[in-house]
Amino acid sequence: NAGVTQTPKFQVLKTGQSMTLQCAQDMNHNSMYWYRQDPGMGLRLIYYSASEGTTDKGEVPNGYNVSRLNKREFSLRLESAAPSQTSVYFCASSEATGAGIAFFGQGTRLTVV
Amino acid sequence: KQEVTQIPAALSVPEGENLVLNCSFTDSAIYNLQWFRQDPGKGLTSLLLIQSSQREQTSGRLNASLDKSSGRSTLYIAASQPGDSATYLCAVRRGAAGNKLTFGGGTRVLVKP
Repeated sequence: NAGVTQTPKFQVLKTGQSMTLQCAQDMNHNSMYWYRQDPGMGLRLIYYSASEGTTDKGEVPNGYNVSRLNKREFSLRLESAAPSQTSVYFCASSEATGAGIAFFGQGTRLTVV
Repeated sequence: KQEVTQIPAALSVPEGENLVLNCSFTDSAIYNLQWFRQDPGKGLTSLLLIQSSQREQTSGRLNASLDKSSGRSTLYIAASQPGDSATYLCAVRRGAAGNKLTFGGGTRVLVKP
C-alpha cells in the first residue's frame, strides 16, 4: 500500500530559487495537509485542504503557496526560497469527518543555502 | 490558541520497564487526540486515536488514556523493548471538520538492552 507519497525526499536550493514539493495519496481521503518540522518547534501546519477545491492557511503560511490539483494530489510551492525555510516537510491526509486518523508521508528534507 | 506540551523531552529506560509518556493540552474542547511514533529520518505512524468521548484506547502493549477535564493524555507502553526506541508525539484535533492537528514537541525514548 503506497499511502501518502512525497517527492523529492531530499533537496538543496539556493536562496531565491523556487521549487514545488509534490504529494499524492491513494486512500481517497478528502483532507490533505502540509506541515514543517523543525528542532525545538515541533510540527507546524503550513496549509491544508479540507476537500478538493478548497485550501486554507495554517499556522505558518508565509512564503508558501499550495495547489489542490485533484482529490489525490496536493502540492506545496516555495516561490523564493529563504534559509528560514530549511526544514523537513511532511504531507498528510485524512478523512474530513469521522475518526479522521492522519496518515503521513515520509517527508522531504529541504536545505536552503 | 491550543498548546500541546510533552514532558519529558527525552526518556531512557532499561528493557522490560514500562514506559509512561505524558501529553497535556490547554483547551479541553478537543474532538480527538492521536498518538504517533516517529523513527529517525522517517514520517509519522499513527499508534492510537482516542475520541473525546472515550477514556482510553488499547492496542497490544499500548494503552492511551484521556482526561479531557484536566487536559491530559498518557501513553503507556508495557514491557518496553529496544524496538520501541523512537520519538512519540501526541496531537489534538479541535473540531469535526477540517481535522487540523496541533502537535506536542514529542518525547524521545531510548530503551536500553
